[in-house]
Amino acid sequence: KAGVTQTPRYLIKTRGQQVTLSCSPISGHRSVSWYQQTPGQGLQFLFEYFSETQRNKGNFPGRFSGRQFSNSRSEMNVSTLELGDSALYLCASSLGAENTEAFFGQGTRLTVV
Amino acid sequence: EDQVTQSPEALRLQEGESSSLNCSYTVSGLRGLFWYRQDPGKGPEFLFTLYSAGEEKEKERLKATLTKKESFLHITAPKPEDSATYLCAVHPGGSYIPTFGRGTSLIVHP
Repeated sequence: KAGVTQTPRYLIKTRGQQVTLSCSPISGHRSVSWYQQTPGQGLQFLFEYFSETQRNKGNFPGRFSGRQFSNSRSEMNVSTLELGDSALYLCASSLGAENTEAFFGQGTRLTVV
Repeated sequence: EDQVTQSPEALRLQEGESSSLNCSYTVSGLRGLFWYRQDPGKGPEFLFTLYSAGEEKEKERLKATLTKKESFLHITAPKPEDSATYLCAVHPGGSYIPTFGRGTSLIVHP
């Protein structure tokens, strides 16, 4: 079956701009989580959506937001980009009720200049 | 505050040389502990979930074990294709927000 698909794979943005990243989960998976991965901080949880509702949220500023559509596809948005937002953004999907076995996409590499 | 510490940060092995990676954690209760493998430029790949002390799981050359304070990922007779970064994550009790360790970078030389 098809895996988790993230688009775009690479992105270069200017400081102050905003960006939207997309994630298509595995068919049948209702939970989508987003993570930020940097060399300095490692893998950090951003938020999780389940059935179009944000169920959990990590410790990130309000510039980071997301949403989930009825087909479980999810988007995350980062507004007013800062240099420190440069990172690999990963999306993971799982079947549902508990955030157990998660399947990750290949990520979107965001570079802020 | 929940903490996950992985050691060593980096490990170089010769093919066939067995070893163990460590993941020690401090959380308020434990809902589950997860092991992932991550290859360069790719997202993490799920390996194991452990839920209670004493639990063990195996997959090919990998075996994960769990105690109340730490988990070990044992690699038996590794091959070069086992080279990757191995990540450990914990879900604390009462929360589904995972905390990840910084990972162990494993290189297996032929």
